[in-house]
Amino acid sequence: DSGVTQTPKHLITATGQRVTLRCSPRSGDLSVYWYQQSLDQGLQFLIQYYNGEERAKGNILERFSAQQFPDLHSELNLSSLELGDSALYFCASSPPGPLSGNTIYFGEGSWLTVV
Amino acid sequence: GENVEQHPSTLSVQEGDSAVIKCTYSDSASNYFPWYKQELGKRPQLIIDIRSNVGEKKDQRIAVTLNKTAKHFSLHITETQPEDSAVYFCAASKGGSYIPTFGRGTSLIVHP
Repeated sequence: DSGVTQTPKHLITATGQRVTLRCSPRSGDLSVYWYQQSLDQGLQFLIQYYNGEERAKGNILERFSAQQFPDLHSELNLSSLELGDSALYFCASSPPGPLSGNTIYFGEGSWLTVV
Repeated sequence: GENVEQHPSTLSVQEGDSAVIKCTYSDSASNYFPWYKQELGKRPQLIIDIRSNVGEKKDQRIAVTLNKTAKHFSLHITETQPEDSAVYFCAASKGGSYIPTFGRGTSLIVHP
């Protein structure tokens, strides 16, 4: 158990719909990251938040948005869903640390199936 | 930005053999290099990491080496076992940036 909690674990929804994925980081971690992993694909970085503020953006579609709340939990909102959005969505967190880089810890992921 | 290349994409070995996965990075400022193991349908888990002030680190059957001059690092698994079968990801990150750049992954298959 990494300490990063994601809900829901599985989600099946129809095209055109909107879903929200939720993440609670490890206790004490200020950074939250969202990654998308499609079948047989690598880890595609979507977005990072640090202590409530957006810090970096990756390959995140305009239909997707995220936020980090004052209690540091984060939500990833996926709208106008398409079949190609079916994937495993990981949340990860990392602690505030030295300048030499931080280990990130992944949650168990949320399996999204769009039908 | 940083670019991490990982090879091979698939590696098939017999149980008991050694396995080596190699990564190269482009940004000489990168100074932290973690390796993650992801079993099918599970989350990536950190298995070992190395910082730029050391050249090698070992943990039982796993070792990582780093060549800063050549900008490459490698994961070595000795005496492989079927439970080592998984996808392995390398990553690189640098001070001031908390976003590790991941390689595309290596699917390791250990045949009994």
